[in-house]
Amino acid sequence: DGGITQSPKYLFRKEGQNVTLSCEQNLNHDAMYWYRQDPGQGLRLIYYSQIVNDFQKGDIAEGYSVSREKKESFPLTVTSAQKNPTAFYLCASSRGRQNTEAFFGQGTRLTVV
Amino acid sequence: AQSVTQPDIHITVSEGASLELRCNYSYGATPYLFWYVQSPGQGLQLLLKYFSGDTLVQGIKGFEAEFKRSQSSFNLRKPSVHWSDAAEYFCAVGSGGYQKVTFGTGTKLQVIP
Repeated sequence: DGGITQSPKYLFRKEGQNVTLSCEQNLNHDAMYWYRQDPGQGLRLIYYSQIVNDFQKGDIAEGYSVSREKKESFPLTVTSAQKNPTAFYLCASSRGRQNTEAFFGQGTRLTVV
Repeated sequence: AQSVTQPDIHITVSEGASLELRCNYSYGATPYLFWYVQSPGQGLQLLLKYFSGDTLVQGIKGFEAEFKRSQSSFNLRKPSVHWSDAAEYFCAVGSGGYQKVTFGTGTKLQVIP
């Protein structure tokens, strides 16, 4: 089945530690995205990538980093610089052209303890 | 700047009743419009989208939405709600790639027997 896989579903991290969230897609999509979701705030864009080896900051990139070494993979690292990392993180992909929609993974809930 | 307003944070309807979720947007050109649904702890699933053409759009699960340019609205409707429709619904607007898509803050739907 084609789709987007995020892992793990739940993640706990101690303050001061970096943590990496995985996102893999087998839809052959060029573009991939990371969103953060907090209650009552909708989705906010962290980073996006329209092509391998290239990525751009979104609206709330501070404290996060990404890489795009393969078309299928777009991991997100939440660094210790992120002041309030506890949230639900969603990865998405799209063909990247206009007139297309994005498909979402099942999300990773990160809790800082 | 583009924006999306979902004025209803929570809506409660009886099973079998009709449903209308409101979405108003601000956008400088002809928008691309989307409705997504999210079950608790899950990713977003696309219900329907409008890019051009017929302003009444049919989607999955019996949902439809109507694009009204004069009112800057894209309301989601369903004639008869099922208990399984209880979820959170997000309206989104944008074009030219998902990095330019803005999501609303969502409407939580509760369905009572």
